[in-house]
Amino acid sequence: GNSVTQMEGPVTLSEEAFLTINCTYTATGYPSLFWYVQYPGEGLQLLLKATKADDKGSNKGFEATYRKETTSFHLEKGSVQVSDSAVYFCALSPANTGNQFYFGTGTSLTVIP
Amino acid sequence: NAGVTQTPKFQVLKTGQSMTLQCAQDMNHEYMSWYRQDPGMGLRLIHYSVGAGITDQGEVPNGYNVSRSTTEDFPLRLLSAAPSQTSVYFCASSYWGGAGNTIYFGEGSWLTVV
Repeated sequence: GNSVTQMEGPVTLSEEAFLTINCTYTATGYPSLFWYVQYPGEGLQLLLKATKADDKGSNKGFEATYRKETTSFHLEKGSVQVSDSAVYFCALSPANTGNQFYFGTGTSLTVIP
Repeated sequence: NAGVTQTPKFQVLKTGQSMTLQCAQDMNHEYMSWYRQDPGMGLRLIHYSVGAGITDQGEVPNGYNVSRSTTEDFPLRLLSAAPSQTSVYFCASSYWGGAGNTIYFGEGSWLTVV
């Protein structure tokens, strides 16, 4: 079946620290992979995505690389800011289904000044 | 700039009451869906639709009904509210088919059943 496993939170970092949130997946074929971010009291917003192996998605200083060999899509940022405090969701959309999405449980990040 | 619009944002219901969460999108997306978000469980798919007149069940459909009479609207009905349905509900939409389609979410509806 299809599933996403992401690291448990919460994660607390100091401003300018390096961030890694691990995400691994199980899927048949070649799914598309996504990171969504949810700020307090808001809906989920697309942060970045990758649609094929070795693609790197990037946005707002965040990056994630689609690793087929390790079935992973880890989110990284070199220097976090207080404004990055949010919940981050890893998700996959299986190949040829168009829109079926499977989400991880979310990782809460708090960045302290 | 409307995107996906959900109403109401907050609602308190008594056990056994019924209500409808409204969802509308203005992006001409074929695909629409409803998720619920619960602590420690991420997002779980309730129902989805791939076009007007077509709906299907997701992972947790019990206690909910949907219909899709137009491309734009996809209301979610709670038939007889139960405390277990206390949750945050998100409507979402995207284009159907292909790979890597982005799914767009509404801002959420916070529902409490007492």
